[in-house]
Amino acid sequence: GAGVSQSPSNKVTEKGKDVELRCDPISGHTALYWYRQSLGQGLEFLIYFQGNSAPDKSGLPSDRFSAERTGGSVSTLTIQRTQQEDSAVYLCASSLAAGAYPLNEKLFFGSGTQLSVL
Amino acid sequence: GENVEQHPSTLSVQEGDSAVIKCTYSDSASNYFPWYKQELGKGPQLIIDIRSNVGEKKDQRIAVTLNKTAKHFSLHITETQPEDSAVYFCAGGDSNYQLIWGAGTKLIIKP
Repeated sequence: GAGVSQSPSNKVTEKGKDVELRCDPISGHTALYWYRQSLGQGLEFLIYFQGNSAPDKSGLPSDRFSAERTGGSVSTLTIQRTQQEDSAVYLCASSLAAGAYPLNEKLFFGSGTQLSVL
Repeated sequence: GENVEQHPSTLSVQEGDSAVIKCTYSDSASNYFPWYKQELGKGPQLIIDIRSNVGEKKDQRIAVTLNKTAKHFSLHITETQPEDSAVYFCAGGDSNYQLIWGAGTKLIIKP
């Protein structure tokens, strides 16, 4: 596709339910990031995938959060037993990561998934 | 670890005037400083970035300056236009760790 695609664009769920958020990165981009953006706040790093390397999970806030990236392309962020404090916009970004400093390259963001936990 | 602070949180300027947004960082090892623009309902988009081997970079009406000694960098937008209205984020990092993001500045261009 032309850009990073995220689905759904909006998700309303009840507290305690599990949710899955999907990210389809730009074709050929080896790096994929998940961020969380709470209302009026900056971007909180969650997880980073780079090629076949083990993902950097250092930003995941609890063990209720997990993510997979299948076949080096599409990624799914799963939040189990959702809580009200999980309500936020979840942003996915990808980058080519072809240079010497893959963490210092231009990120291409999707439009995000607005998650509301009631 | 790195900490990035961004000021002001909201900036209102008259159309045609200049806007300046400032960020400070704590880790002297940081060497990459991008600026992203986020319009309502969209993801952030890179507008300009600077690496620590230069002190200033310009792209048309947008410029970024970096003061490594003082550990701060600034975004300058000249001749502001209505389409410049958005939230702007700064970030800092180096090749070894994830970018650390500022809290954002909401820029309002008054007609």
